[in-house]
Parts: sequence; C-alpha cells; structure tokens
Amino acid sequence: GQSLEQPSEVTAVEGAIVQINCTYQTSGFYGLSWYQQHDGGAPTFLSYNALDGLEETGRFSSFLSRSDSYGYLLLQELQMKDSASYFCAVRVAVYNFNKFYFGSGTKLNVKP
Amino acid sequence: ETGVTQSPTHLIKTRGQQVTLRCSSQSGHNTVSWYQQALGQGPQFIFQYYREEENGRGNFPPRFSGLQFPNYSSELNVNALELDDSALYLCASSLFGSGLTGELFFGEGSRLTVL
Repeated sequence: GQSLEQPSEVTAVEGAIVQINCTYQTSGFYGLSWYQQHDGGAPTFLSYNALDGLEETGRFSSFLSRSDSYGYLLLQELQMKDSASYFCAVRVAVYNFNKFYFGSGTKLNVKP
Repeated sequence: ETGVTQSPTHLIKTRGQQVTLRCSSQSGHNTVSWYQQALGQGPQFIFQYYREEENGRGNFPPRFSGLQFPNYSSELNVNALELDDSALYLCASSLFGSGLTGELFFGEGSRLTVL
C-alpha cells in the first residue's frame, strides 16, 4: 500500500517563507506532485518532481529526495491568498497506468 | 478553470439509496479517475477509467462502480449508500501517457450528503 505523512497545519505571516514536508512509503513510485485546494474548491496542480532536486515555479518550489522518500513544498513571499490546504501526492505506475495517492493535507494559515 | 465539469454540485440522499455522479473530462483527455474526499482529508483514489475500462481501483467496495463513455465522459455510481459515503467526490482527467507531468485536472466536485 501507500502512506504519506505531512503536517496537519502550519501558520506563517505574510511575506514569510514556509516549507511543507511530505514523507512517503510506496511501491512503484514514479514522482511526487503538490496540489493546492482552497475551501470549497477543486485541487489545483502546483508542481511535480520525478527526479531528485529542486523545481522552481515562481514563488513556489518543490524538492524531492527519492533515497529518503521525502519531499517538500516551499512557498516564498507568502500572500493572504496562499491560505489553503496543500496536498502531496505520489504518482504510482502499474502496468503503464498512472495512479495518484494523496496525503491528508496541510492547512496553511497566512496571517497579516 | 480546468475544463472538467461535474454534476450535480450538491445532493442529499438517504441511507440505502443509489446515486449517480457525472463528469465531463477536459477536451482531449482520455483518462478519468474518481476520488472521494472526506471533510478535512485528502482525496482517496476510487478507480480510474481508460478506453471505457476500469484499469485501477483503490480500496473501495464493489458497490462503487463506474462507466466511461466513448466521448471520455464518466459516471460514478454508488449503491446502498451508507452514512460514511458523505463526502466530496472529485473527478480528475488526464491524458494517458502524459504522466510525466504528474498533473491531474480536477473538477469542482459533487458534494454528497447521506442522511
């Protein structure tokens, strides 16, 4: 089976930097994705890491260490609109079909 | 906006009833997966459809079933509803073979309440 662990809640102030960690245990691992979900909304894709290292997309960066089964999402220059839940998701490939398994999410509270 | 549409947006059923949820995938996407998201939890993988066949299933009982149509739209059916089935049901579309991006395109979901 698959298991993912991430902190349940993180609080930071506007303009700060916050890191959301994700550790996973899975077989058939191919990559780690991150999604943002505002209350009542759909999850929206932020980033994906298939290889070790850092991927940067604007204010958001994501890191993966396959040997440590660990990744993180880094949010810089926090804005109030970043208050949302953030989910890591492992991509698992079985017989060339991709499936995604999500963590329980980290609720980010950005304060003024 | 992802181009994935789901209906209905909200519905209320009673225990023991059956429900059908619908999803239109983003144009050009041939793979649809369904997720159940309980309040305060992450989306849980139910199953995935490609070429009108189920090709992967999560830890859900057989009373959860689905269909995919030639136009790639999909249905999720749940029989013998239980109180624990109350959740947000999310549909996600993707293009088979494009898993390199790790991206799923989610609809806004169908909020099911079972009384």
